[in-house]
Amino acid sequence: DVKVTQSSRYLVKRTGEKVFLECVQDMDHENMFWYRQDPGLGLRLIYFSYDVKMKEKGDIPEGYSVSREKKERFSLILESASTNQTSMYLCASSASGAVSYEQYFGPGTRLTVT
Amino acid sequence: AQSVSQHNHHVILSEAASLELGCNYSYGGTVNLFWYVQYPGQHLQLLLKYFSGDPLVKGIKGFEAEFIKSKFSFNLRKPSVQWSDTAEYFCAVPVSGGYNKLIFGAGTRLAVHP
Repeated sequence: DVKVTQSSRYLVKRTGEKVFLECVQDMDHENMFWYRQDPGLGLRLIYFSYDVKMKEKGDIPEGYSVSREKKERFSLILESASTNQTSMYLCASSASGAVSYEQYFGPGTRLTVT
Repeated sequence: AQSVSQHNHHVILSEAASLELGCNYSYGGTVNLFWYVQYPGQHLQLLLKYFSGDPLVKGIKGFEAEFIKSKFSFNLRKPSVQWSDTAEYFCAVPVSGGYNKLIFGAGTRLAVHP
């Protein structure tokens, strides 16, 4: 059973703080993704990684960075948190391959920036 | 650019009513289609997927979806909903360019009343 875990379910941070969100998957998946989920907007891709130390920008990368030093771990960094980054953050992973588009999701981190 | 449209943002039904949630996509390549579900307080999980073959796909918990190529649609259906189907439902299609990226619709919140 694929398991994707995220470091926190709820997080409250102050404007300007540096925030780290961590994600770990246990299925040796090559691909990992960070999304933010906002009501009425669905899931929007922030960054993804297709291998260790490899990363690509998604649709809304501004204000975020990522790190993937180990295959199983993918971190999302908010360099200087702002109130408009209050959101639900979802991590996902998937195996590489032509038919393996299925993504497996973590429980999410609800981040509030005050 | 690829896109996914979900027509209904909020749906309210009584138990035993029939359900149909609309999903339309624009995509020029091979069509793979997904429905994901997020139950309250739980992580996003796969409900069903279409890759090829029979356009009528059956998923978990009595859900099914029909791929109609001529209409670019992949509507989700269930003949008789239950209170436990209360959740948010997302339609998704792959993004061209590899890495197993998906683009998600805005989601439909379904509330089923006993």
